[in-house]
Amino acid sequence: QVQLQESGPGLVKPSETLSLTCTVSGGSIINYYWSWIRQPPGKGLEWIGYIYYSGSTNYNPSLKSRVTISVDTSKSQFSLKLNSVTAADTGVYYCARVDYFGSGSINYFDSWGQGTLVTVSS
Amino acid sequence: QSALTQPASVSGSPGQSITISCTGTSSDVGGYNYVSWYQQHPGKAPKLMIYDVSNRPSGVSNRFSGSKSGNTASLTISGLQAEDDADYYCSSYTSSTPVVFGGGTKLTVL
Repeated sequence: QVQLQESGPGLVKPSETLSLTCTVSGGSIINYYWSWIRQPPGKGLEWIGYIYYSGSTNYNPSLKSRVTISVDTSKSQFSLKLNSVTAADTGVYYCARVDYFGSGSINYFDSWGQGTLVTVSS
Repeated sequence: QSALTQPASVSGSPGQSITISCTGTSSDVGGYNYVSWYQQHPGKAPKLMIYDVSNRPSGVSNRFSGSKSGNTASLTISGLQAEDDADYYCSSYTSSTPVVFGGGTKLTVL
């Protein structure tokens, strides 16, 4: 059964770059799409973006100008960078495996990491 | 892309049935059979409960069922149990952005 684990700093200063990595184990990173999803404290889920193992990406239009997702298949990892962060970017960040149809069309998220809390504060 | 609309809260007593609605548009819920539901307990990651409107992943209790009519999808939980007390989120494929979530519904088992 595939497992995902997020890692990265829990505290980021305003205007700096949030960087997280998701390590995939118990299954292959190949032939899947992988996503980042976040949840502000006490609020709902927001899709950030996804990456295919080959490197193609798609981002939420509301975050597109600040987001980069990359993949390292040799390490079974994919990463998130969100630049110019503000307090509004504070929340729990999840990585997840995507079940898809067609080319890059998201159906659902079938495996999730435990999540990591990132606080934006000086 | 606006979030799908869910009631903020629902409640029920043990043994009863409840239904959570998820309303979208013809560009998402109404246009495709790619609606999924997630259960989230406090401090935990979401867990997939229903996919493709009405399918249950292996291991999910058959007390959970999904349906859709027009632009509204529904999650029904029968025989409520204390462990069902959690937040529930719907999501759907959309023709604009790849996916949209509902705002979430807090289920309280009285």
